[in-house]
Amino acid sequence: DTGVSQDPRHKITKRGQNVTFRCDPISEHNRLYWYRQTLGQGPEFLTYFQNEAQLEKSRLLSDRFSAERPKGSFSTLEIQRTEQGDSAMYLCASSPGRRSSYEQYFGPGTRLTVT
Amino acid sequence: SQELEQSPQSLIVQEGKNLTINCTSSKTLYGLYWYKQKYGEGLIFLMMLQKGGEEKSHEKITAKLDEKKQQSSLHITASQPSHAGIYLCGADEFGKIIFGKGTRLHILP
Repeated sequence: DTGVSQDPRHKITKRGQNVTFRCDPISEHNRLYWYRQTLGQGPEFLTYFQNEAQLEKSRLLSDRFSAERPKGSFSTLEIQRTEQGDSAMYLCASSPGRRSSYEQYFGPGTRLTVT
Repeated sequence: SQELEQSPQSLIVQEGKNLTINCTSSKTLYGLYWYKQKYGEGLIFLMMLQKGGEEKSHEKITAKLDEKKQQSSLHITASQPSHAGIYLCGADEFGKIIFGKGTRLHILP
Protein backbone atom coordinates (compact mmCIF):
# COMPACT_ATOMS: atom_id res chain seq x y z
CA ASP A 1 0.00 0.00 0.00
CA THR A 2 1.55 3.25 -1.13
CA GLY A 3 -0.47 5.60 1.07
CA VAL A 4 -2.24 8.80 0.07
CA SER A 5 -0.43 10.78 -2.60
CA GLN A 6 -0.89 14.40 -3.61
CA ASP A 7 0.29 16.33 -6.62
CA PRO A 8 1.87 18.80 -6.90
CA ARG A 9 3.69 19.12 -3.57
CA HIS A 10 4.27 22.82 -4.08
CA LYS A 11 2.52 25.38 -6.23
CA ILE A 12 3.32 29.06 -6.66
CA THR A 13 0.78 31.06 -8.60
CA LYS A 14 -0.10 34.67 -9.24
CA ARG A 15 -3.26 36.19 -7.83
CA GLY A 16 -6.18 35.66 -10.16
CA GLN A 17 -4.91 32.43 -11.70
CA ASN A 18 -6.68 29.08 -11.39
CA VAL A 19 -5.01 26.08 -9.78
CA THR A 20 -5.91 22.40 -9.53
CA PHE A 21 -4.63 19.84 -7.06
CA ARG A 22 -4.90 16.08 -7.28
CA CYS A 23 -5.26 13.48 -4.53
CA ASP A 24 -4.94 9.72 -4.93
CA PRO A 25 -6.32 7.91 -1.88
CA ILE A 26 -5.30 4.55 -0.49
CA SER A 27 -6.80 1.94 -2.79
CA GLU A 28 -10.25 0.67 -1.76
CA HIS A 29 -10.78 3.58 0.64
CA ASN A 30 -14.32 4.81 0.10
CA ARG A 31 -14.01 8.16 1.83
CA LEU A 32 -11.83 11.04 0.72
CA TYR A 33 -11.42 14.32 2.59
CA TRP A 34 -9.92 17.73 1.86
CA TYR A 35 -8.56 19.99 4.60
CA ARG A 36 -6.73 23.31 4.60
CA GLN A 37 -4.03 24.28 7.07
CA THR A 38 -2.58 27.74 7.59
CA LEU A 39 0.57 28.52 9.53
CA GLY A 40 0.30 27.84 13.25
CA GLN A 41 -3.20 26.36 13.00
CA GLY A 42 -4.66 22.87 12.90
CA PRO A 43 -6.17 21.62 9.65
CA GLU A 44 -9.69 22.84 8.82
CA PHE A 45 -12.21 20.62 7.09
CA LEU A 46 -13.24 21.64 3.57
CA THR A 47 -15.23 18.77 2.08
CA TYR A 48 -15.52 15.01 1.82
CA PHE A 49 -16.68 12.28 -0.55
CA GLN A 50 -18.17 8.87 -0.04
CA ASN A 51 -17.20 7.15 -3.28
CA GLU A 52 -18.12 9.72 -5.96
CA ALA A 53 -20.75 11.53 -3.90
CA GLN A 54 -19.78 14.80 -2.22
CA LEU A 55 -21.51 14.51 1.14
CA GLU A 56 -20.51 17.67 2.95
CA LYS A 57 -18.98 21.05 2.17
CA SER A 58 -17.69 23.50 4.75
CA ARG A 59 -18.68 27.15 4.71
CA LEU A 60 -14.96 27.76 4.16
CA LEU A 61 -15.42 26.38 0.65
CA SER A 62 -16.40 29.50 -1.25
CA ASP A 63 -17.84 29.52 -4.77
CA ARG A 64 -14.30 29.75 -6.11
CA PHE A 65 -13.53 26.28 -4.79
CA SER A 66 -14.77 23.09 -6.41
CA ALA A 67 -13.91 19.48 -5.68
CA GLU A 68 -14.66 16.37 -7.70
CA ARG A 69 -14.20 12.64 -7.39
CA PRO A 70 -15.62 11.49 -10.71
CA LYS A 71 -15.03 7.75 -10.54
CA GLY A 72 -14.82 7.34 -6.82
CA SER A 73 -11.05 7.02 -6.94
CA PHE A 74 -8.81 10.11 -7.23
CA SER A 75 -10.09 13.58 -6.44
CA THR A 76 -9.29 17.08 -7.67
CA LEU A 77 -9.62 20.40 -5.86
CA GLU A 78 -9.76 23.48 -8.05
CA ILE A 79 -9.44 27.07 -6.89
CA GLN A 80 -10.50 29.72 -9.36
CA ARG A 81 -9.29 33.32 -9.32
CA THR A 82 -6.85 32.67 -6.49
CA GLU A 83 -6.40 35.25 -3.74
CA GLN A 84 -3.50 35.75 -1.36
CA GLY A 85 -5.68 34.43 1.45
CA ASP A 86 -5.79 31.08 -0.33
CA SER A 87 -2.12 30.53 0.50
CA ALA A 88 -2.07 27.44 2.71
CA MET A 89 -1.27 23.75 2.87
CA TYR A 90 -4.02 21.68 1.27
CA LEU A 91 -4.25 18.23 2.78
CA CYS A 92 -6.06 15.18 1.50
CA ALA A 93 -7.02 12.17 3.61
CA SER A 94 -8.77 8.89 2.99
CA SER A 95 -10.46 6.28 5.15
CA PRO A 96 -12.08 2.90 4.57
CA GLY A 97 -15.40 4.44 5.59
CA ARG A 98 -16.63 1.18 7.00
CA ARG A 99 -18.23 0.78 10.40
CA SER A 100 -15.09 -0.96 11.63
CA SER A 101 -12.74 1.79 10.59
CA TYR A 102 -13.12 5.50 10.03
CA GLU A 103 -9.48 6.25 10.68
CA GLN A 104 -8.25 8.94 8.33
CA TYR A 105 -4.81 8.72 6.71
CA PHE A 106 -3.30 11.89 5.33
CA GLY A 107 -1.18 12.63 2.30
CA PRO A 108 1.93 14.87 2.30
CA GLY A 109 -0.08 17.94 1.30
CA THR A 110 0.16 20.55 -1.45
CA ARG A 111 1.60 23.89 -0.35
CA LEU A 112 0.04 26.76 -2.28
CA THR A 113 1.63 30.19 -2.37
CA VAL A 114 -0.32 32.98 -4.07
CA THR A 115 1.81 36.01 -4.95
CA SER B 1 -19.52 23.23 16.71
CA GLN B 2 -16.93 21.38 18.71
CA GLU B 3 -13.78 23.14 19.89
CA LEU B 4 -10.60 21.52 21.08
CA GLU B 5 -8.02 23.15 23.29
CA GLN B 6 -4.52 21.73 23.49
CA SER B 7 -2.01 22.42 26.22
CA PRO B 8 0.70 23.33 26.34
CA GLN B 9 1.00 25.18 23.02
CA SER B 10 4.74 24.55 23.03
CA LEU B 11 7.01 22.23 24.95
CA ILE B 12 10.79 21.94 25.22
CA VAL B 13 12.02 18.74 26.80
CA GLN B 14 15.43 17.25 27.46
CA GLU B 15 16.03 14.02 25.58
CA GLY B 16 15.14 11.04 27.75
CA LYS B 17 12.50 12.87 29.79
CA ASN B 18 8.81 12.01 29.88
CA LEU B 19 6.13 14.45 28.80
CA THR B 20 2.35 14.83 28.58
CA ILE B 21 0.16 16.77 26.16
CA ASN B 22 -3.49 17.44 26.95
CA CYS B 23 -6.53 17.90 24.74
CA THR B 24 -9.82 19.19 26.15
CA SER B 25 -13.11 19.27 24.27
CA SER B 26 -16.09 21.57 24.65
CA LYS B 27 -18.39 18.61 23.95
CA THR B 28 -18.48 14.85 24.46
CA LEU B 29 -15.97 13.10 22.26
CA TYR B 30 -17.24 10.24 20.11
CA GLY B 31 -13.88 9.67 18.50
CA LEU B 32 -10.58 11.31 19.34
CA TYR B 33 -7.58 11.23 17.01
CA TRP B 34 -3.93 11.91 17.72
CA TYR B 35 -1.66 12.84 14.81
CA LYS B 36 1.95 13.92 14.54
CA GLN B 37 3.13 16.43 11.95
CA LYS B 38 6.65 17.28 10.96
CA TYR B 39 7.02 20.93 10.01
CA GLY B 40 5.63 21.55 6.52
CA GLU B 41 4.58 17.95 5.97
CA GLY B 42 1.46 15.81 6.15
CA LEU B 43 -0.06 14.25 9.25
CA ILE B 44 1.01 10.87 10.58
CA PHE B 45 -1.77 8.85 12.23
CA LEU B 46 -0.85 7.79 15.77
CA MET B 47 -4.07 6.41 17.25
CA MET B 48 -7.81 6.83 17.63
CA LEU B 49 -9.77 6.48 20.87
CA GLN B 50 -13.49 5.97 21.09
CA LYS B 51 -14.50 4.53 24.44
CA GLY B 52 -14.43 6.25 27.81
CA GLY B 53 -11.40 5.10 29.77
CA GLU B 54 -9.74 3.69 26.66
CA GLU B 55 -5.97 3.64 26.48
CA LYS B 56 -3.77 2.80 23.50
CA SER B 57 -0.03 2.63 23.02
CA HIS B 58 2.22 2.89 20.01
CA GLU B 59 5.89 2.35 20.72
CA LYS B 60 6.71 4.87 23.49
CA ILE B 61 3.54 6.91 23.03
CA THR B 62 0.41 6.27 25.12
CA ALA B 63 -2.92 8.05 24.74
CA LYS B 64 -5.91 7.93 27.05
CA LEU B 65 -9.49 9.12 26.80
CA ASP B 66 -11.10 9.98 30.14
CA GLU B 67 -14.27 8.31 31.39
CA LYS B 68 -16.39 11.37 30.66
CA LYS B 69 -15.00 11.48 27.11
CA GLN B 70 -14.14 15.16 27.19
CA GLN B 71 -10.42 15.03 27.73
CA SER B 72 -7.52 13.10 26.30
CA SER B 73 -3.85 12.99 27.15
CA LEU B 74 -0.85 11.84 25.16
CA HIS B 75 2.18 10.69 27.09
CA ILE B 76 5.66 10.09 25.67
CA THR B 77 8.09 8.04 27.71
CA ALA B 78 11.85 8.55 27.43
CA SER B 79 11.61 11.15 24.66
CA GLN B 80 13.91 10.97 21.65
CA PRO B 81 14.83 13.51 18.94
CA SER B 82 12.53 11.60 16.56
CA HIS B 83 9.56 12.60 18.72
CA ALA B 84 10.01 16.28 17.83
CA GLY B 85 7.19 17.83 15.82
CA ILE B 86 3.64 19.07 16.16
CA TYR B 87 1.09 16.88 17.92
CA LEU B 88 -2.52 17.43 16.90
CA CYS B 89 -5.63 16.10 18.56
CA GLY B 90 -8.81 15.92 16.51
CA ALA B 91 -12.43 15.17 17.32
CA ASP B 92 -14.56 13.05 15.03
CA GLU B 93 -17.66 15.08 14.14
CA PHE B 94 -19.97 13.07 11.90
CA GLY B 95 -17.11 11.85 9.75
CA LYS B 96 -14.97 14.95 9.55
CA ILE B 97 -12.23 15.84 12.04
CA ILE B 98 -12.19 19.07 14.05
CA PHE B 99 -8.58 19.74 15.04
CA GLY B 100 -6.95 21.59 17.89
CA LYS B 101 -4.19 24.07 17.15
CA GLY B 102 -1.45 21.63 18.02
CA THR B 103 1.39 21.33 20.52
CA ARG B 104 4.89 22.01 19.27
CA LEU B 105 7.40 19.65 20.83
CA HIS B 106 11.12 20.33 20.79
CA ILE B 107 13.61 17.77 22.11
CA LEU B 108 16.96 19.02 23.41
CA PRO B 109 19.88 16.62 22.93
